[in-house]
Amino acid sequence: GAGVSQSPRYKVAKRGQDVALRCDPISGHVSLFWYQQALGQGPEFLTYFQNEAQLDKSGLPSDRFFAERPEGSVSTLKIQRTQQEDSAVYLCASSLSGTLGNGYTFGSGTRLTVV
Amino acid sequence: QKEVEQNSGPLSVPEGAIASLNCTYSDRGSQSFFWYRQYSGKSPELIMFIYSNGDKEDGRFTAQLNKASQYVSLLIRDSQPSDSATYLCAVQDTDKLIFGTGTRLQVFP
Repeated sequence: GAGVSQSPRYKVAKRGQDVALRCDPISGHVSLFWYQQALGQGPEFLTYFQNEAQLDKSGLPSDRFFAERPEGSVSTLKIQRTQQEDSAVYLCASSLSGTLGNGYTFGSGTRLTVV
Repeated sequence: QKEVEQNSGPLSVPEGAIASLNCTYSDRGSQSFFWYRQYSGKSPELIMFIYSNGDKEDGRFTAQLNKASQYVSLLIRDSQPSDSATYLCAVQDTDKLIFGTGTRLQVFP
């Protein structure tokens, strides 16, 4: 596709429920990033893939968060046993090269609300 | 913990004026700096990046970098109501970006 695609656009989860958020990067893009943006805050880094390799997961807030990119294209961010503090917009970005380069393009995000 | 600081605003400027958005960062070794614009309910979009000290101009936008003062700014000339948004400053930290909380800009007619 023309841009980074994320689904679902909105997700409401009951506390304790597991959720899976999907990111389709721009075709051929090597690098894929996940960020979390709480209301009124800037995006915060979660994790980074280069092809299928997860090179940095230092931003994942707890072991309830898990991300994968098994074939080096589509990525899934999974959150187990969701808590209210997980409510945020989850942004995915991709870039062509294996380095940050000249910045990257974000998808439209998934807004997660935990009730 | 590397930090990026921005005034949350709002910064209100009249249409046609110059809007000046400022950002400071804590890591003296930082090399790459980015400005993103984020409309309400939308995802951030890249406006400009700057690596070298001095000014970089792109249309109505000018990014300014002063590494000695650990300061980066974004000037928007001839501000338009459509420029009303939150502007996020970001600094590269190895493989990721560290974002500030953003400055909300309001351009009134």
